[in-house]
Amino acid sequence: GENVEQHPSTLSVQEGDSAVIKCTYSDSASNYFPWYKQELGKGPQLIIDIRSNVGEKKDQRIAVTLNKTAKHFSLHITETQPEDSAVYFCAASKGSARQLTFGSGTQLTVLP
Amino acid sequence: SQTIHQWPATLVQPVGSPLSLECTVEGTSNPNLYWYRQAAGRGLQLLFYSVGIGQISSEVPQNLSASRPQDRQFILSSKKLLLSDSGFYLCAWGGLAGGGGEQFFGPGTRLTVL
Repeated sequence: GENVEQHPSTLSVQEGDSAVIKCTYSDSASNYFPWYKQELGKGPQLIIDIRSNVGEKKDQRIAVTLNKTAKHFSLHITETQPEDSAVYFCAASKGSARQLTFGSGTQLTVLP
Repeated sequence: SQTIHQWPATLVQPVGSPLSLECTVEGTSNPNLYWYRQAAGRGLQLLFYSVGIGQISSEVPQNLSASRPQDRQFILSSKKLLLSDSGFYLCAWGGLAGGGGEQFFGPGTRLTVL
C-alpha cells in the first residue's frame, strides 16, 4: 500500500520568513495530494491540493509543488504570520480510491 | 454548502462503559464517510469508512464498531471502553461530485476514558 513520509516533524520560523514542509510517497499511481492545517483542538482543514497533471499550484501565501518523477511534494508558506502556527498534514491517494494516506504531521511555530 | 457536525464535543467516560459518537453531514447526498482517531501526538488513524447505508469497512481490529443507519449519519460505538480508546475522534466526508479524493473533517470529539 501507499506510504507517505513527512519532514520535518517540527519547524520554527520567524514571522515574515518562509516555511517549507516536504513529503514523499511510495505509490507511483497516486495522483491526488492534499494538505491540511490543524489548529489545536480542531479538525484538520483542507488548505490546498494538487493533482498529478500539474507541477505547482498557488493560493495567496501558500503553494504546493509536485515532482512526480521523484515522488515528492512540498508545501511552501511565504510571509509567515503567527496565525499560521498549527500542525500541517500531507496526504496522498489514487483518484479512484476512497482513502487518503496521511503523513505524520509537522508542527509549525511562527515566532513573533 | 456542505457542513459536518459531530457530537458531543467532549466526553469523559469510565472504563467499561458504552460509547456512542454521532456524525452528520448536510448539503450533500451519498457521501463517503470516515471515522479517524488521533491519539496523543499528531497521527491520523483511519478506523472505519462507509460508501453507503449499511456498508462499513473496518481498517483496524479493535473493540469499536461503526454504523450508518441513514445516508448522512455515521455512528461510532463501543460496548465496553478501554483506557486505550482515549483520543480525539474525527469524522470526515468525501466523494465530492467531480472531485478526486478530497475529504472534509468535522470538529472532532475529545474522548477521555478514566
